[in-house]
Amino acid sequence: AQRVTQPEKLLSVFKGAPVELKCNYSYSGSPELFWYVQYSRQRLQLLLRHISRESIKGFTADLNKGETSFHLKKPFAQEEDSAMYYCAPYPGGYQKVTFGTGTKLQVIP
Amino acid sequence: DTGVSQNPRHKITKRGQNVTFRCDPISEHNRLYWYRQTLGQGPEFLTYFQNEAQLEKSRLLSDRFSAERPKGSFSTLEIQRTEQGDSAMYLCASSSGQGAGNEQFFGPGTRLTVL
Repeated sequence: AQRVTQPEKLLSVFKGAPVELKCNYSYSGSPELFWYVQYSRQRLQLLLRHISRESIKGFTADLNKGETSFHLKKPFAQEEDSAMYYCAPYPGGYQKVTFGTGTKLQVIP
Repeated sequence: DTGVSQNPRHKITKRGQNVTFRCDPISEHNRLYWYRQTLGQGPEFLTYFQNEAQLEKSRLLSDRFSAERPKGSFSTLEIQRTEQGDSAMYLCASSSGQGAGNEQFFGPGTRLTVL
């Protein structure tokens, strides 16, 4: 069965510390992977997608097909990074995007 | 504001009543999605439309839920005979293109409370 797992419900780090938000998926084929973010009192929005290979707000995400993981990383956390982060694989075609349960990132000043 | 809009933003109803929510997507977007989100969970897929065609409906949805997008623009989600378990945030999103792999733009959500 297709599944996406974000093992941490809450991740607390100090400002300036590295951040890694974990995402593991079990999908057949090669899904496209997204990270969405929801800041306090704001709408859910796209942060980045692996196909674009961009760094957005200092975040990057590496797709590891062997480990079926798509962890989100940032070398130095900022207070404004505090938010809910959702990993979302997309199998392709007319199939739907599935959202993980989310990880709340709390950056401590 | 050219983003996705949802009305109402909050709805409180008594168990057994019917409720209807509206979503206005970004005007040029042909895909429209409905999700439900409860505390501590990610958005859970309910259904989606490509233009006016409803292409998929979650098997988790009971027959009490129905969605329409009659002219391929706005959409409505109706819940009949509401139950306390229907209390949740209902999110709408829209995107362009033929597949679901394009960026989805989310609305602010409608928070439903069933007493």
